[in-house]
Amino acid sequence: GAGVSQSPRYKVTKRGQDVALRCDPISGHVSLYWYRQALGQGPEFLTYFNYEAQQDKSGLPNDRFSAERPEGSISTLTIQRTEQRDSAMYRCASRAGGHPNTGELFFGEGSRLTVL
Amino acid sequence: SQQGEEDPQALSIQEGENATMNCSYKTSINNLQWYRQNSGRGLVHLILIRSNEREKHSGRLRVTLDTSKKSSSLLITASRAADTASYFCATVPGKGGSEKLVFGKGTKLTVNP
Repeated sequence: GAGVSQSPRYKVTKRGQDVALRCDPISGHVSLYWYRQALGQGPEFLTYFNYEAQQDKSGLPNDRFSAERPEGSISTLTIQRTEQRDSAMYRCASRAGGHPNTGELFFGEGSRLTVL
Repeated sequence: SQQGEEDPQALSIQEGENATMNCSYKTSINNLQWYRQNSGRGLVHLILIRSNEREKHSGRLRVTLDTSKKSSSLLITASRAADTASYFCATVPGKGGSEKLVFGKGTKLTVNP
């Protein structure tokens, strides 16, 4: 697609339920990043992929959070047994790739998760 | 954890004035990027400055980088109401290894018409 697409845009769930957030990056982009953003704060790094390989998952808060990108394109961030503190905007971004440590990220509009 | 720290946290100016935002970071970097975020929307890349560059311009934007002080500044000249947004600096901490891009907490800029 033309930009990074995230779904759902809004998700309300009850505490204890599992949720899956989807990211469809810009076609051909090598790298895909997941961030979490609280209101009034900067994006907090969660994890990123180059192609299908998860390169760094140091930002995932605990083992209830996982992410995959099985075919090197679409990615899913899964939160198991959700808790109220998981409520936030979850943002996905992709990068064309190339030389490491260069290049801008293109962000999607985000998925707003509310855990009741 | 946040790598960059923007200053000030909030800035309010009149249309036509210049706005300066600063960013300090902790570890060595290969480049530093600035992003803008309009009220709850996705972040938009503004400019990237490499560690071997001291100054870069893009339209009304001017970015400086001082690697000895581990700091960068973003200057917006002749500001417009449409520049109202939050501005974030972002870096890849360290050299080599992970390419995670770490953002600061941002400066919220309000340009009054």
